Amino acid sequence: NAGVTQTPKFRVLKTGQSMTLLCAQDMNHEYMYWYRQDPGMGLRLIHYSVGEGTTAKGEVPDGYNVSRLKKQNFLLGLESAAPSQTSVYFCASSPLPTKPGYYEQYFGPGTRLTVT
Amino acid sequence: GQNIDQPTEMTATEGAIVQINCTYQTSGFNGLFWYQQHAGEAPTFLSYNVLDGLEEKGRFSSFLSRSKGYSYLLLKELQMKDSASYLCAVKRRDYGQNFVFGPGTRLSVLP
Repeated sequence: NAGVTQTPKFRVLKTGQSMTLLCAQDMNHEYMYWYRQDPGMGLRLIHYSVGEGTTAKGEVPDGYNVSRLKKQNFLLGLESAAPSQTSVYFCASSPLPTKPGYYEQYFGPGTRLTVT
Repeated sequence: GQNIDQPTEMTATEGAIVQINCTYQTSGFNGLFWYQQHAGEAPTFLSYNVLDGLEEKGRFSSFLSRSKGYSYLLLKELQMKDSASYLCAVKRRDYGQNFVFGPGTRLSVLP
């Protein structure tokens, strides 16, 4: 049971390049999330998914796209990278709540992305 | 909008007790969560409050007052390994699966 895994762990991009970050979970969780974490700003939600085939925008979705074609995978795409997207990206998943409001999120190890 | 405030940094001594506060302003409140994050690592879940009161979990306790928009995380018998950032997060009922995280409190435990 690997939990939540992210690929790659590190990446350096040039401005304008594109890339896809892969998140996979083997816990059969319904919900999946992509966050970015910047110094002093905490985690900010980019996009999330409440089930296979569904996605929705979070707090900071601009410049990113996502897809959830399979329940276990959640992909984050950057079509044209910008220096402002330099950040640490975390994926998380959570199961259906077992009690009201109980959405425990399990986080992946993170991807450190630098855009030059 | 939403606003979550936490102290930026705190320092405490090994064996002591420390309280980390979190204040929030939001509508449609549907739970408050605390996470621990060691430097360079992923956040890990610590506790959850949806009703007013205290939830205890070993050395860690979390308190919530919904009327005051206030929560705290209490860490007892501090150990060196408790040096980490502590993140407060609020879930809104009317905003899908959206969580809003505070900026985090970096706790340093000194010998």
